[in-house]
Amino acid sequence: NAGVTQTPKFRILKIGQSMTLQCAQDMNHNYMYWYRQDPGMGLKLIYYSVGAGITDKGEVPNGYNVSRSTTEDFPLRLELAAPSQTSVYFCASSPGQGLSGNTIYFGEGSWLTVV
Amino acid sequence: AQKITQTQPGMFVQEKEAVTLDCTYDTSDPSYGLFWYKQPSSGEMIFLIYQGSYDQQNATEGRYSLNFQKARKSANLVISASQLGDSAMYFCAMKNTGGFKTIFGAGTRLFVKA
Repeated sequence: NAGVTQTPKFRILKIGQSMTLQCAQDMNHNYMYWYRQDPGMGLKLIYYSVGAGITDKGEVPNGYNVSRSTTEDFPLRLELAAPSQTSVYFCASSPGQGLSGNTIYFGEGSWLTVV
Repeated sequence: AQKITQTQPGMFVQEKEAVTLDCTYDTSDPSYGLFWYKQPSSGEMIFLIYQGSYDQQNATEGRYSLNFQKARKSANLVISASQLGDSAMYFCAMKNTGGFKTIFGAGTRLFVKA
């Protein structure tokens, strides 16, 4: 089972550069999420999507954009990278609403450093 | 508004002993789910256990159990017979059933001593 796949795993960006973190899931989950985890901290929600064509902001959306053209893919775009965006990024998915559909499945994380 | 609080930044436990990691939450929604995740030093997030707000019994998964006290709004994780491989960061999380967002606590780092 591939589950949730993120690429790249590591990336160093220069200030002002742009990049896209790719995320794909093969579990036919409706919900997908992007979180960031700063050193020694918990996870903060950047954006989420409840289905293809539908996205919404989380707690910390500034400096990021997302799209959800298919059920499987949920890329995260960083425009004009800033040092404050140095973090570990986790893509995740869940089946959807309902008590048993709440569990989130995470990708392995993408370590991003902006210098 | 939803909130998850983990008040223990770090915990030490002797190998083979049990340990309790604290988690309190706040929500106005009567239907919600509570989760615990483990994050080892390698960085990936591993789902451990789930408790629904209407579940009558506390959830158990192998050596993990969730001590759910609804009136106190607490969802503590109990790890029995700790192993060296249990050393990791542990996150408590919550999602309202009718909502879309899962929120996470700040985490507790567990150190298991040989």
